[in-house]
Amino acid sequence: EPEVTQTPSHQVTQMGQEVILRCVPISNHLYFYWYRQILGQKVEFLVSFYNNEISEKSEIFDDQFSVERPDGSNFTLKIRSTKLEDSAMYFCASSPVMYGYTFGSGTRLTVV
Amino acid sequence: TQLLEQSPQFLSIQEGENLTVYCNSSSVFSSLQWYRQEPGEGPVLLVTVVTGGEVKKLKRLTFQFGDARKDSSLHITAAQPGDTGLYLCAGVGTGNQFYFGTGTSLTVIP
Repeated sequence: EPEVTQTPSHQVTQMGQEVILRCVPISNHLYFYWYRQILGQKVEFLVSFYNNEISEKSEIFDDQFSVERPDGSNFTLKIRSTKLEDSAMYFCASSPVMYGYTFGSGTRLTVV
Repeated sequence: TQLLEQSPQFLSIQEGENLTVYCNSSSVFSSLQWYRQEPGEGPVLLVTVVTGGEVKKLKRLTFQFGDARKDSSLHITAAQPGDTGLYLCAGVGTGNQFYFGTGTSLTVIP
């Protein structure tokens, strides 16, 4: 069964450092998303991406965040200068249409 | 932000019992999904409901979308330990982004 692959599974970074979280969506999917889940809290929408541009973003997705689809297969989330409160599980998802997401297994980001 | 409140937040039941999880909002959603999430894993899609009043069955799980498309329920019959997990509802709101519910953590005791 096709799956969304995320790497790394766990990343530890120092506060103020840049991190790039990587995702390989399912190949024929058109919509791509990043969500995050702070430990013990709900899953929160960050951004959606369609046709090589951001289609929606939440108030969490500020100037510190950016997304790219650099080569037609990878979908990355960059956090420019990490803060302690960025520690969370980050989930990538893709879908062929506007719903019916397939989620990756997540990247646990720990900012120290 | 379109809020989805789930109840109960925590549920611990014995194997073989039935249970219902509720997902409620004051907002209308064009569609709603239910996911199950295991610790350290991403949410796994169980079902999508689109039409108000729609009922879908997935083995022992029955999902219903409210007539006004503001609420949904998940009913599990004869729960098994393998049903243990975090159940999340998520609705498609304005702008086609998903809003996740607050989650229901289910524990089925053998």
